[in-house]
Amino acid sequence: TQLLEQSPQFLSIQEGENLTVYCNSSSVFSSLQWYRQEPGEGPVLLVTVVTGGEVKKLKRLTFQFGDARKDSSLHITAAQPGDTGLYLCAGARSGAQKLVFGQGTRLTINP
Amino acid sequence: NAGVMQNPRHLVRRRGQEARLRCSPMKGHSHVYWYRQLPEEGLKFMVYLQKENIIDESGMPKERFSAEFPKEGPSILRIQQVVRGDSAAYFCASSPSVGNTIYFGEGSWLTVV
Repeated sequence: TQLLEQSPQFLSIQEGENLTVYCNSSSVFSSLQWYRQEPGEGPVLLVTVVTGGEVKKLKRLTFQFGDARKDSSLHITAAQPGDTGLYLCAGARSGAQKLVFGQGTRLTINP
Repeated sequence: NAGVMQNPRHLVRRRGQEARLRCSPMKGHSHVYWYRQLPEEGLKFMVYLQKENIIDESGMPKERFSAEFPKEGPSILRIQQVVRGDSAAYFCASSPSVGNTIYFGEGSWLTVV
């Protein structure tokens, strides 16, 4: 059972376009993290959201945590080839230290 | 400040051999986590340890896998009698305390031939 469902799993778009990646669950999380992973490397933390409805911006990336803390989205504006990579969402349940990961979204930005 | 250090980065083992993966957490971090990633999949939690204690091993296979985090030295993930299905990337992560951000190492890629 996949507790966190990411969509789409694969996305290939042209440079300059906008995109949104979704991370959905039927479970409530106390916090949710977004990571980016390059081939052959470990996940690198992009952002942590902890409050329902929270919106965080990181340059051209906008992260939102759902009001009920069950879902999140990552929006990239004017995508660039350097944004190419595997994007992972991960949630922490209240009282638990371990992270539950989505299966990832593999993003390719074509020049 | 050095990050989470894992070694070896790449390991090839024949079926039936043992694999030992080592993880040195970030300085000041006493909480260590091991995750496994199969090709084209997300990470799956295996085990959470604090110094000398296993806190949560709910993701560890019941047989052949063990983990430790001794008082001195790195955390070790040990896989005995490896099989082809054990081929994966194994990531270690650390945090300074409960509820804090978890930082990942660059992973150890195990290939069983």
